[in-house]
Amino acid sequence: NAGVTQTPKFRILKIGQSMTLQCTQDMNHNYMYWYRQDPGMGLKLIYYSVGAGITDKGEVPNGYNVSRSTTEDFPLRLELAAPSQTSVYFCASSYSRIGDTQYFGPGTRLTVL
Amino acid sequence: TQLLEQSPQFLSIQEGENLTVYCNSSSVFSSLQWYRQEPGEGPVLLVTVVTGGEVKKLKRLTFQFGDARKDSSLHITAAQPGDTGLYLCAGAPSGGSNYKLTFGKGTLLTVNP
Repeated sequence: NAGVTQTPKFRILKIGQSMTLQCTQDMNHNYMYWYRQDPGMGLKLIYYSVGAGITDKGEVPNGYNVSRSTTEDFPLRLELAAPSQTSVYFCASSYSRIGDTQYFGPGTRLTVL
Repeated sequence: TQLLEQSPQFLSIQEGENLTVYCNSSSVFSSLQWYRQEPGEGPVLLVTVVTGGEVKKLKRLTFQFGDARKDSSLHITAAQPGDTGLYLCAGAPSGGSNYKLTFGKGTLLTVNP
């Protein structure tokens, strides 16, 4: 099993550009999450999904969109990138509801200039 | 919003020393998890504690969940350079259908040889 994979690993965007961060898991997990991690600020939940076709906002959803058409994939879309979105983005998945182990991908380091 | 305060924020020690890091909240959690994150990687689960007063040991690491399920501690005995990393605690809210884990900001531990 590859676990949770994320692409790209690094990306530099100009202000106003858009991009999609890809996330795939091969563990047949129902729950998937997107977090951002800023220095000294821990992990902030952006969006999460409890199954294909079901998504919901987390703590910091503004400027992002998600979709969940399959169990395996949970892409994160950035529209009109802003410097405030410079961060490291982590995708995670878990088998069942909150309290279960979350398995994290290796992260995408995004810089918006 | 349930907050988790971690202390200290930074800790630099010599190999062989003992240390304790803390995770405190005014809220009650149904369970609490500890993750370790190494540079350039996603967090990896170390342990989940569920019962108030519970103590779990993982080799040289000892985890304790407070009796009131509002706080937790991580004690490392005879620290080694391989213990270097960011230690994150994450709490699952008590009751309800909230799927969101609350993460602390982390303790960055450096163990010098």
